[in-house]
Amino acid sequence: GDSVTQMEGPVTLSEEAFLTINCTYTATGYPSLFWYVQYPGEGLQLLLKATKADDKGSNKGFEATYRKETTSFHLEKGSVQVSDSAVYFCALTSGGKLIFGQGTELSVKP
Amino acid sequence: GAVVSQHPSWVICKSGTSVKIECRSLDFQATTMFWYRQFPKQSLMLMATSNEGSKATYEQGVEKDKFLINHASLTLSTLTVTSAHPEDSSFYICSAGRNVVAGELFFGEGSRLTVL
Repeated sequence: GDSVTQMEGPVTLSEEAFLTINCTYTATGYPSLFWYVQYPGEGLQLLLKATKADDKGSNKGFEATYRKETTSFHLEKGSVQVSDSAVYFCALTSGGKLIFGQGTELSVKP
Repeated sequence: GAVVSQHPSWVICKSGTSVKIECRSLDFQATTMFWYRQFPKQSLMLMATSNEGSKATYEQGVEKDKFLINHASLTLSTLTVTSAHPEDSSFYICSAGRNVVAGELFFGEGSRLTVL
């Protein structure tokens, strides 16, 4: 079945460092791809999305490009802040449902 | 974004009792709601999909008689954990879909269930 694989965490970075969180997927058809973020003590929020190949989703300085040839949707940010500390989930739509990756915890130190 | 409210946010119960968790979409009508279970340091496991006015569709391995889901209206879905046991202790999260394909899926803040 369809699935999402993320790099394992936790990822620990210093403030202003460059962030990459890898996400690859397996899917039949052409799913939409998403990144969700879960801040400590809060629910999930949609961070960004891309609905077709080569689309780039962006929000709050984060970006991810839908790469059909490599079945990837890596999350990047040029300069992280302490407030970006959270768990990040990559997800895809499959049969009217959202399938999530296992989540990657990001910790940004001042 | 839209608001989804989940209640209670935290509940402790004795083994063998039943617990009901409510999920409400406060400012839109959700024809589809999803229930997830999240284990510590792990991803969200989809338990079931509920559509207003019809029976829920459960994922493989999820006991439908143990996790009763009711989607009585376009703004309310409930999850009842029946005869709860300690292994049912977990974080349960609901989401309400306005347009799932477009990613218009809004999440409640979750309910932490602890079964003693």
